[in-house]
Formats: sequence, C-alpha cells, structure tokens
Amino acid sequence: AAGVIQSPRHLIKEKRETATLKCYPIPRHDTVYWYQQGPGQDPQFLISFYEKMQSDKGSIPDRFSAQQFSDYHSELNMSSLELGDSALYFCASSLRLAGVTSTDTQYFGPGTRLTVL
Amino acid sequence: AQSVTQPDIHITVSEGASLELRCNYSYGATPYLFWYVQSPGQGLQLLLKYFSGDTLVQGIKGFEAEFKRSQSSFNLRKPSVHWSDAAEYFCAVGPYSSASKIIFGSGTRLSIRP
Repeated sequence: AAGVIQSPRHLIKEKRETATLKCYPIPRHDTVYWYQQGPGQDPQFLISFYEKMQSDKGSIPDRFSAQQFSDYHSELNMSSLELGDSALYFCASSLRLAGVTSTDTQYFGPGTRLTVL
Repeated sequence: AQSVTQPDIHITVSEGASLELRCNYSYGATPYLFWYVQSPGQGLQLLLKYFSGDTLVQGIKGFEAEFKRSQSSFNLRKPSVHWSDAAEYFCAVGPYSSASKIIFGSGTRLSIRP
C-alpha cells in the first residue's frame, strides 16, 4: 500500500539558511500534519491542514510556514535556520470523513532529517 | 489538559519472553488512543488504535493493547517478543477534534536480550 512520501530524506543546511520540506500524503488523504522530533524526544506537533486550510497549530516558530496545495501535498518552509532546528521532521496524513472518527488515524512518513551546521 | 505518561524509559526483556509496556493518559473525553513504533532512524509505524467498542485491541506484529477506563491506561502487550521488536514505542492520545494534533508520550525504548 502507498505510504506518506517525504522529501528530501536528509538535508544539511548552514545557520541562517532556508529549507523546504515536502510531504505527499497517502492517495485520497485530505489532511496533513507536521511534527518535529528532536534527538531523544517525542514528536511535537507543529501544524495541520485540511482541504488547504490550516486546521490546528502547535508550537511552530514564526520562522516556519507551511501550506497545503490543491493536490493535497504540503510544504514546510523554514527560514533563518538555527542549530536548534536540527531534528527529524515528520509528515502524517489522514482521511477526514464527516461523522467517521476512525478515519482520523494519522499515518506517518519516514521523516526528513534536518541538520543545521 | 491532554497528556500521556509512559513511566518506563527503557525496558529490557529476553527474546521469547512476554512484554507489557505501560501507558497512562489524561483526557477530557473519551480518548482515541494509539501505539506507534519507531525503529532507529526510521519513521513512526502504527501498531494499533482504540476509538471505541471492544477494549482489547489487536494490532500488527502480534501486539495487543487493553483500554481500561477506570485506570486511564492503555498498556501494550505481546506474549513472546522477537529480536526485531527492539525499538522505541510511543503511546499517543487524540486528536481532540478532526485534523488536530495527537499527543505523544515520551516513549519507551525496548531492548531484547538474546
């Protein structure tokens, strides 16, 4: 079965540079989520989108922005990178059907490992 | 506030032995509960989920979990572990509403003794 695709898988940037992470959800899934997992940490929610609209927002820095496109893929844009941004960034997707809560199960991609030097 | 507690940071069991990983949650309504597994450097794989109904949930790879409302627990079990089960296991709760976040516990690292 098709899974969530994230690109790139690994990314190395210098401080103050910008980075763009991409996420392609499972086919037919309409909701995407972004999480950040620091070394030895649990994943922390950043932001989510449903039908191209922001749905929920977590601890996402102002330097970061994200959007969901008409084909449901999403991009996380990160500017003025800091050393502390080094982490594994996960995208997850789900299918939202009105009145069917079981479809809110989030399926995660393999992650993008960002290293800021 | 929603929260998840995994009291065991690291557990080591012998191959073939039974396993139980603990998870306690705090949630304002009927919780949706999940267990995910993460192998080193890998993504998060869904093992099983509970939304409603039967409190004993079967998952992949021979895992099961039991929802106990009275104890606010959702412990993960496996009758006989394999060396390939060595990984980080995360319990999670949510989402509170559609398309919103799930909250993870801090994880339990499972090591397997040959």
